[in-house]
Amino acid sequence: GESVGLHLPTLSVQEGDNSIINCAYSNSASDYFIWYKQESGKGPQFIIDIRSNMDKRQGQRVTVLLNKTVKHLSLQIAATQPGDSAVYFCAERERGAQKLVFGQGTRLTINP
Amino acid sequence: NAGVMQNPRHLVRRRGQEARLRCSPMKGHSHVYWYRQLPEEGLKFMVYLQKENIIDESGMPKERFSAEFPKEGPSILRIQQVVRGDSAAYFCASSPRTQGRTYEQYFGPGTRLTVT
Repeated sequence: GESVGLHLPTLSVQEGDNSIINCAYSNSASDYFIWYKQESGKGPQFIIDIRSNMDKRQGQRVTVLLNKTVKHLSLQIAATQPGDSAVYFCAERERGAQKLVFGQGTRLTINP
Repeated sequence: NAGVMQNPRHLVRRRGQEARLRCSPMKGHSHVYWYRQLPEEGLKFMVYLQKENIIDESGMPKERFSAEFPKEGPSILRIQQVVRGDSAAYFCASSPRTQGRTYEQYFGPGTRLTVT
């Protein structure tokens, strides 16, 4: 069954604020985690990834944090823009495997 | 460099017909993955293929579903005798040869299958 889930199904933020999207996972054998953004009618778009030997990784306006002790993953988006409106999925991959296990997703909406 | 291509983008089939979904991976990618997504849900893994080989089909239903990735041409996901429950978005992803490293999977735009 699914081992990746999200704490909140929807998140609404003001434009310009920071967004934090959370994800819990239960498979301790997972060693690779990815955040995807999916806009309506489109396929998932890679945002950022992190391996289990890291706690934090930064990209352009995005940061992923990994807490292996509590099996928690988060995506932080700085200065949220209207174009960030989408559904965000976390996904994990078990060590030695190739398939991704996705969470249900969080819908991020931006208030002007 | 073109991304992952899928066709058709939308497919309507009557119950009992066959659905054939095509996926062309990114240039240079030799690994293909198929996922299914129901409305308001995350993607569910179906099958992982390399050229002429099925590597992992643990997410494929045992009956009516099959997948191939021939030496030449696109990967094909085939659903025989479709039922209404097969209605979903089907996404293909590709990645380069792993060579011991971890590579992200790049997704196509998906095929929306509707069974009437």
